[in-house]
Amino acid sequence: NAGVTQTPKFRVLKTGQSMTLLCAQDMNHEYMYWYRQDPGMGLRLIHYSVGEGTTAKGEVPDGYNVSRLKKQNFLLGLESAAPSQTSVYFCASGRLAGETQYFGPGTRLLVL
Amino acid sequence: GENVEQHPSTLSVQEGDSAVIKCTYSDSASNYFPWYKQELGKRPQLIIDIRSNVGEKKDQRIAVTLNKTAKHFSLHITETQPEDSAVYFCAARQGAQKLVFGQGTRLTINP
Repeated sequence: NAGVTQTPKFRVLKTGQSMTLLCAQDMNHEYMYWYRQDPGMGLRLIHYSVGEGTTAKGEVPDGYNVSRLKKQNFLLGLESAAPSQTSVYFCASGRLAGETQYFGPGTRLLVL
Repeated sequence: GENVEQHPSTLSVQEGDSAVIKCTYSDSASNYFPWYKQELGKRPQLIIDIRSNVGEKKDQRIAVTLNKTAKHFSLHITETQPEDSAVYFCAARQGAQKLVFGQGTRLTINP
């Protein structure tokens, strides 16, 4: 049981480039979440999904898009990266709505 | 929407002493309050949670208390050890599907 995995672990982008972060979970969880973590600001919700084929906006969705084509995968896309998107990105999944969330190891993104 | 404030942002205690971290929330409808621990370079992991129908919950050296009237909840760590050094996050459920996290507390245990 791998739990929640994320790829890549680390990435450097130039301003304006695009990329996709992949989150995968093998716990058959319905709920999946993308957060960004910045110093002194805790974990802020970007987008989330309540099941396969669904997505919804969180607290800080601008500049990001997501897709949940398969139940076990949740993709986060940056169409045109900006330095303000430099952060650590965590994916999480949960069995029950708004309850215990299991986090992935994180992706460190640096946008130059 | 829900707003969660966490204090202090940093906390330093001597090994063996107790540590207390406090969070306040704004939405009186919130009914689930987890605490996560994040060690340096690692992912956040749930350490304890409490629901609104309970005032206190303990698990060995850690405990959480909830005051619904005042809308605040606290994490208590007793007999602190070096491995307790980490960043701790509180959270509160917002609506039916999401958690809102506090800003985090960096706890340092001094030997």
